[in-house]
Amino acid sequence: NAGVTQTPKFQVLKTGQSMTLQCAQDMNHEYMSWYRQDPGMGLRLIHYSVGAGITDQGEVPNGYNVSRSTTEDFPLRLLSAAPSQTSVYFCASSYSPHPRDIQYFGAGTRLSVL
Amino acid sequence: QQQVKQSPQSLIVQKGGISIINCAYENTAFDYFPWYQQFPGKGPALLIAIRPDVSEKKEGRFTISFNKSAKQFSLHIMDSQPGDSATYFCAASLSYNQGGKLIFGQGTELSVKP
Repeated sequence: NAGVTQTPKFQVLKTGQSMTLQCAQDMNHEYMSWYRQDPGMGLRLIHYSVGAGITDQGEVPNGYNVSRSTTEDFPLRLLSAAPSQTSVYFCASSYSPHPRDIQYFGAGTRLSVL
Repeated sequence: QQQVKQSPQSLIVQKGGISIINCAYENTAFDYFPWYQQFPGKGPALLIAIRPDVSEKKEGRFTISFNKSAKQFSLHIMDSQPGDSATYFCAASLSYNQGGKLIFGQGTELSVKP
């Protein structure tokens, strides 16, 4: 079972560059989400999706775009990277949006913006 | 207030000792309180969770204690082992009908010394 797969594991960008963080799940989960993890701040929700074609903003959406064309994939796009976006990014999925459904997390993408 | 405050930031415990991590919240509408465990280089994984109508939940060496009147909940790890060394996050959420999304605490880095 692959679960939630994130690529790449590490990335270094220069300020102003764009990139896409990939996330794929093979559990047929409807709900997918992106978090960023920063020291002393826990995990904060960036964007989420309750199904293909449906996305919405979380707590810290500025500077990020998402789309959900299939159930399996939920890429996160940084349009113009800034040093403030240096963080570890986690993708998660669950069977439904219900908060009591277990969220399964990927292994993360560590991003540095210089 | 949507914040969840977690303490301590880091914790060192001897093998066989009890590890205690505390969380506090303000929003009395929160109705689900999970704990996540994260090993280095991995994504968080659900460890144990509790609802506010229960004062304690135990799973093996892990126990959540919940104090509704004090708006606090804590994780106790009995007979702590070096394999328990990880970062622990508490979280809270509103009900699904209230748009419940997980709000995470700041995290506690636990180190269990042999």
